[in-house]
Amino acid sequence: AQTVTQSQPEMSVQEAETVTLSCTYDTSENNYYLFWYKQPPSRQMILVIRQEAYKQQNATENRFSVNFQKAAKSFSLKISDSQLGDTAMYFCAFMKGGAQKLVFGQGTRLTINP
Amino acid sequence: SAVISQKPSRDICQRGTSLTIQCQVDSQVTMMFWYRQQPGQSLTLIATANQGSEATYESGFVIDKFPISRPNLTFSTLTVSNMSPEDSSIYLCSVSKDYDQYFGPGTRLTVL
Repeated sequence: AQTVTQSQPEMSVQEAETVTLSCTYDTSENNYYLFWYKQPPSRQMILVIRQEAYKQQNATENRFSVNFQKAAKSFSLKISDSQLGDTAMYFCAFMKGGAQKLVFGQGTRLTINP
Repeated sequence: SAVISQKPSRDICQRGTSLTIQCQVDSQVTMMFWYRQQPGQSLTLIATANQGSEATYESGFVIDKFPISRPNLTFSTLTVSNMSPEDSSIYLCSVSKDYDQYFGPGTRLTVL
């Protein structure tokens, strides 16, 4: 079975700083996808970024980028120029290729301070 | 992407009763998923619902407690049966499109 671990329960940074959230996973699969989701207090789960395991290039979406280290089974999220609206719970998630269901990490509560 | 709505958005129920949560998607999808998020916790998959077949439940979840219907490709319901305070959670439905998974706004259930 796949497991996803987020070792940072909480993080806090100042507005405009860069912050990196950590995620490690365990799997014997070769075909899989990794995701970062954001859950603000409104509780809506928002897809931030997706990484395909077969792609060596790290995914990037505007201020959000990932550092995908397949051999180390590590998938960190970097948020650049952080904004107050980035305050939320962030969940790392794993999906086996073809399975479509997600396995989530425990989450990291990120607070951006003015 | 996909736009997903859920009803109700929240409810307060008495123990021993049942609540049915509805999930509507703006486009046809093969699979729909139901997740539970207990207070302060992460999301756990309850079951996968395919149209035209019985739902597939994850370990620890049973059909008698969480019956699911999937009458067509845009709609599904999850019933939380014989509720106890331990069922107080946020229940979210989701769909998969083009390798991405999109979530509804969730239903916050409180059982007294």
